[in-house]
Amino acid sequence: GAGVSQSPSNKVTEKGKDVELRCDPISGHTALYWYRQSLGQGLEFLIYFQGNSAPDKSGLPSDRFSAERTGGSVSTLTIQRTQQEDSAVYLCASSLVGGVLQETQYFGPGTRLLVL
Amino acid sequence: AQKVTQAQTEISVVEKEDVTLDCVYETRDTTYYLFWYKQPPSGELVFLIRRNSFDEQNEISGRYSWNFQKSTSSFNFTITASQVVDSAVYFCALSEAGIYNQGGKLIFGQGTELSVKP
Repeated sequence: GAGVSQSPSNKVTEKGKDVELRCDPISGHTALYWYRQSLGQGLEFLIYFQGNSAPDKSGLPSDRFSAERTGGSVSTLTIQRTQQEDSAVYLCASSLVGGVLQETQYFGPGTRLLVL
Repeated sequence: AQKVTQAQTEISVVEKEDVTLDCVYETRDTTYYLFWYKQPPSGELVFLIRRNSFDEQNEISGRYSWNFQKSTSSFNFTITASQVVDSAVYFCALSEAGIYNQGGKLIFGQGTELSVKP
């Protein structure tokens, strides 16, 4: 079946602008995760959704970052007033369920964000 | 603290050589999961294996094998008879299953870039 999809695949924006990144998880997967991959910091967790709620937002780097998930499916990660240090690849992953079962997370192709 | 260390930043081998990628982890939990992912040049992270902390049995899948040793907190990955298509960045990851990580987030190592030359 279809894997995790993300859009756009690439995004170039100017410093100070807002951007929205979209993730469409594998059908039937209730857990959804956002990660960020940058040269300096490696792969970092941002936020976890179980259904439409986000029990773990501990990885969001600042209040400029927010995310929502609607209908237990598609998620949007929003970065307000982008800064050059926000340049990275933003990866989305989904798993059958979240929580203590630690189900395998399957990743999308990522959105490469460049802030000029 | 939870941490994953992949000390080898880059490895270069010639095709058909065997290669082992090292992974050492630190965790507060007695129950946890370990993963390996492959990231080819295309960029997408591809799942390879998931192993829980109670199962120390080694696993073999074709040319891939994994050696999990709790005594040394290591989860090493060996590719036998490497091929050019194995060239990628390989990530080891940890997910604690206790109260510190109720969501299942992954903690990744820095990755090992493997280059297999013909």
